[in-house]
Amino acid sequence: DTGVSQDPRHKITKRGQNVTFRCDPISEHNRLYWYRQTLGQGPEFLTYFQNEAQLEKSRLLSDRFSAERPKGSFSTLEIQRTEQGDSAMYLCASSSGTSGFHTQYFGPGTRLTVL
Amino acid sequence: AQKVTQAQTEISVVEKEDVTLDCVYETRDTTYYLFWYKQPPSGELVFLIRRNSFDEQNEISGRYSWNFQKSTSSFNFTITASQVVDSAVYFCALSESEYGNKLVFGAGTILRVKS
Repeated sequence: DTGVSQDPRHKITKRGQNVTFRCDPISEHNRLYWYRQTLGQGPEFLTYFQNEAQLEKSRLLSDRFSAERPKGSFSTLEIQRTEQGDSAMYLCASSSGTSGFHTQYFGPGTRLTVL
Repeated sequence: AQKVTQAQTEISVVEKEDVTLDCVYETRDTTYYLFWYKQPPSGELVFLIRRNSFDEQNEISGRYSWNFQKSTSSFNFTITASQVVDSAVYFCALSESEYGNKLVFGAGTILRVKS
């Protein structure tokens, strides 16, 4: 099994630009999660999908953020009109199962720098 | 609300020393899971262990051991005979029973092992 992959690994953008990140989960994992990690902190939950349905969004996910998982496989996270405060590591994780507790496996992350 | 506290911001040890990383959690759930993840300099979160709230048996895996005590809401992690390759940031996390079992992370403990 290949692990969770994320693309790009690094993104530098200017304030006000839009950016999009991609996450490919472990094959056949039903659940997909997005987290954000700022320097010196633990990851914070943003949103999660069960198959193609987005079932929960954190208050951290402002209107400028949108996530999709159109076919229940890969997911994209778009940030519109980026701000310097968006600079962080964006982590994707996936887990199997649709109920109960399952371990989340993380990708390498996309590091976003907003200038 | 769920909360995870890792009071040790940074620990430095010399190779072959034993080291314990502390984790204290808060939750109103009776069913929950606790996790430890390792984040090496490369950035990817590596899953180490998962324990459920009904299993207080300590666990040992090679040089790693975990002590789960519900009475003190603690889930501590000990590395025996530390090695330079153990240098990383270690995160303790709590899985909620709702919202797809999203993880609530502590702030992490930076472990530096010197040769």
